[in-house]
Amino acid sequence: AQTVTQSQPEMSVQEAETVTLSCTYDTSESNYYLFWYKQPPSRQMILVIRQEAYKQQNATENRFSVNFQKAAKSFSLKISDSQLGDTAMYFCAFRGYGGSQGNLIFGKGTKLSVKP
Amino acid sequence: KAGVTQTPRYLIKTRGQQVTLSCSPISGHRSVSWYQQTPGQGLQFLFEYFSETQRNKGNFPGRFSGRQFSNSRSEMNVSTLELGDSALYLCASSLATAGLRNTEAFFGQGTRLTVV
Repeated sequence: AQTVTQSQPEMSVQEAETVTLSCTYDTSESNYYLFWYKQPPSRQMILVIRQEAYKQQNATENRFSVNFQKAAKSFSLKISDSQLGDTAMYFCAFRGYGGSQGNLIFGKGTKLSVKP
Repeated sequence: KAGVTQTPRYLIKTRGQQVTLSCSPISGHRSVSWYQQTPGQGLQFLFEYFSETQRNKGNFPGRFSGRQFSNSRSEMNVSTLELGDSALYLCASSLATAGLRNTEAFFGQGTRLTVV
């Protein structure tokens, strides 16, 4: 069974600085998707960035980028130029590529606080 | 385009009662998944429906059930409520077709269920 581990329950960063959130996962599949979701106090889960395992290039979305290390099964999220609006819970998630594994498997989350 | 709509937003029920939660997916989305979010267990997958058929199920007791209607709207039912069922219940919809499962999931704001 797949598992996702986020080892940092809470993190804090000053506005405009850079922060990296860690995520490791375990799977025997060779093709899969990885995601970072953001959940602000409003509770709405918002997709931040996605990575397809067969793509070697790390995904980037504006200030958000990932460091995907397939062999190490590591998928960290880097937030550059942190903004107050980035304050939220961040969840790393895994989804299988096909078959019956269409659901997302989430880590426990990292609570990120951006301080002025 | 309207997002995923979950109703009600908040619900208080008494132990032993049953409850029905509703989810209206984004127009055109045929896949609806349900997740339970608690502080202790995090986000856990309940089930996924596609074209009125349940095609994936998580590890929850039979008290948790769901269905999907021909317009893709989905309902989730919990019978004989227990205190431990208190949670945020999230619904996600995606454009997944029969052959393409792994498309982005869009989440609703959730229903906060409190069992007293």
